[in-house]
Amino acid sequence: GQQLNQSPQSMFIQEGEDVSMNCTSSSIFNTWLWYKQDPGEGPVLLIALYKAGELTSNGRLTAQFGITRKDSFLNISASIPSDVGIYFCAGQRAGAGSYQLTFGKGTKLSVIP
Amino acid sequence: DGGITQSPKYLFRKEGQNVTLSCEQNLNHDAMYWYRQDPGQGLRLIYYSQIVNDFQKGDIAEGYSVSREKKESFPLTVTSAQKNPTAFYLCASRHMNRALNTEAFFGQGTRLTVV
Repeated sequence: GQQLNQSPQSMFIQEGEDVSMNCTSSSIFNTWLWYKQDPGEGPVLLIALYKAGELTSNGRLTAQFGITRKDSFLNISASIPSDVGIYFCAGQRAGAGSYQLTFGKGTKLSVIP
Repeated sequence: DGGITQSPKYLFRKEGQNVTLSCEQNLNHDAMYWYRQDPGQGLRLIYYSQIVNDFQKGDIAEGYSVSREKKESFPLTVTSAQKNPTAFYLCASRHMNRALNTEAFFGQGTRLTVV
């Protein structure tokens, strides 16, 4: 099955820095979702995007649905130690009957205090 | 509280045994999914179901089986035919109604280890 291209694979940042990660695809998506996963736990939904060009914030997190519908990015501002984890993007392709979600391989974030 | 519950959290299996992982949701979601997660591999779809008594194979269905006898429940059986079953298994559910938000919500996962 198709996977989204998510980058970077991992990043080490200093506490207080801003973070940016993105996902790209060769296919058009009509929904983009961003999740965070803590070790040994299930992914938790952070932000959902439903319209091309949509920019949505959730506290220090901001995500955008690319206008081409083939990409999305997630920004985290002023990182703190509890931001550590793996961040996944997920997309639902446009098209009748397509209710599967496609996931990126994740971005592992480490925050240095 | 509404949510999706997986059990058990940890499961140990001897080689050659079948084991069943439970997934229950009280969110009235139509669709349910099973994913397998290995380090560095992201989430890979095993099986999914969009309606009761119907399910479809995902990308890595070999060695697994599922049932969907009730809307709330979607158990996954890892059979002895699965050659490398040690992994973290995640169940998810979501609405199918286009008028509703269709975010997928995940359970807390089951870590299966073959001993």
